[in-house]
Parts: sequence; C-alpha cells; structure tokens
Amino acid sequence: QTVVTQEPSFSVSPGGTVTLTCGLSSGSVSSSNWPSWYQQTPGQAPRTLIYSANTRSSGVPDRFSGSILGNKAALTISGAQADDESDYYCVLYVGSGISVFGGGTKLTVL
Amino acid sequence: QVQLVESGGGVVQPGTSLRLSCAASGFTFSDYAMHWVRQAPGKGLEWLAVISYDGGHKYYADSVMGRFPISRDNSKNTLYLQTNSLRVEDTAVYYCAKGASPKAAGYYGMGLWGQGTTVTVSS
Repeated sequence: QTVVTQEPSFSVSPGGTVTLTCGLSSGSVSSSNWPSWYQQTPGQAPRTLIYSANTRSSGVPDRFSGSILGNKAALTISGAQADDESDYYCVLYVGSGISVFGGGTKLTVL
Repeated sequence: QVQLVESGGGVVQPGTSLRLSCAASGFTFSDYAMHWVRQAPGKGLEWLAVISYDGGHKYYADSVMGRFPISRDNSKNTLYLQTNSLRVEDTAVYYCAKGASPKAAGYYGMGLWGQGTTVTVSS
C-alpha cells in the first residue's frame, strides 16, 4: 500500500520562508504524480492552493508556489503571515485512477 | 456564484446506508471530474473516489471499493455517493470537490470544495 509522507509539523517566523515536502514511501515523486496542495484551518473546508505540481488555484497569492525538489513535491510559502497558520495536505496520483493524501503538516507561524 | 453544497449526512446505525448528494452551481458541471473526500474526527483528509466528467470512469480507494459507489447526474448538476454497509470507522465529514481543470482527468487535482456533510455511525 502506497504511503504519502509529510512532515507532521513545521514552524516559520512571520515574514520568513518555509518549504513543506511530500514524498512516497516507495520511490520518487515526479510530475507524473500530479502533486497538489491544500490548506485547511480548523473547522473549515479545505482550500486548494496548487494543482498539477505548480499551478496556483484561482485567487491564491503568489507567495505560495509548488515544485518538484529532488525526489519530493514541495510547497514553498514566502513572506509567511499569521493567517498561514494551518494544516497543509498534499495529494499524489499513484496510478490506476487512485489518489492518496499525505498525513498533513501542521504549520505554526511564530 | 460557484459553489458545491453537500447534503444527506446524518446519524445512523452500523450496517445501514446513506446517499450523499453534492449540488453544483455557477459552473458547467458536466465539464469537470468530481471527487469525494472524507475527514474523520481529529484526523487527516482521505481521498475516497473520483468520477470523470462524463461519468464513464470511476475510481475508488481500497477502503471504500465495493461499498461506496460514486455516480453523477449531469442533467441535475449533482454528484452522489451511496454509502452502504456503514461502519463506525466511516464516521467523518464528507466533502465533494470539483476537478481542477475542465475536461481533465481526476488526477490533475481538486479545485473548489464544498463545506461538507457529517455522517455519524453509532449503535
């Protein structure tokens, strides 16, 4: 069974830059995994940030960017703000029509 | 206004069924793949199923394969998830989400999300 891995938690200072990653338990992530990224604050529905590895969803500020870094997908947040404090989830396509969420990263801005 | 509104959740006993609906408005529903995703209390997001824009292709997570068929009615702009043989561990908020790009495969990712409907399975 394919497991998608994310850092459980991360912290960043206001105004700083942070890169969250998304990997596969077996193998490397490539553009063929069509990585996507989602932000969720407690009690709210998720919000799409990035799809198809590096395409920002409508209305998402350019402080958020997606990429493939080495063997993982990455979400970089530049100029972190207090309201970026959220849970961040990645999704990877693992073949046969199936997508899998990572366990999520809890980002703290302090 | 572009939106997705889920309904059909409730409190049910193990072994019973519920049909969840997702009403779409403000966009051409028949152009987009549609997903179901759930979130158990205090847990992360779990992808469940996707249906292609024309309904011709359906894919499922192992956890719901054979129990939760996905379907859509493009004439009614509505997505469905038939949740059968419900178990306590199916307790979650169920979200529908629109595909990220028109006429694209589901694996491109998700775009707009609904606010979710809560399913509680308890004896």
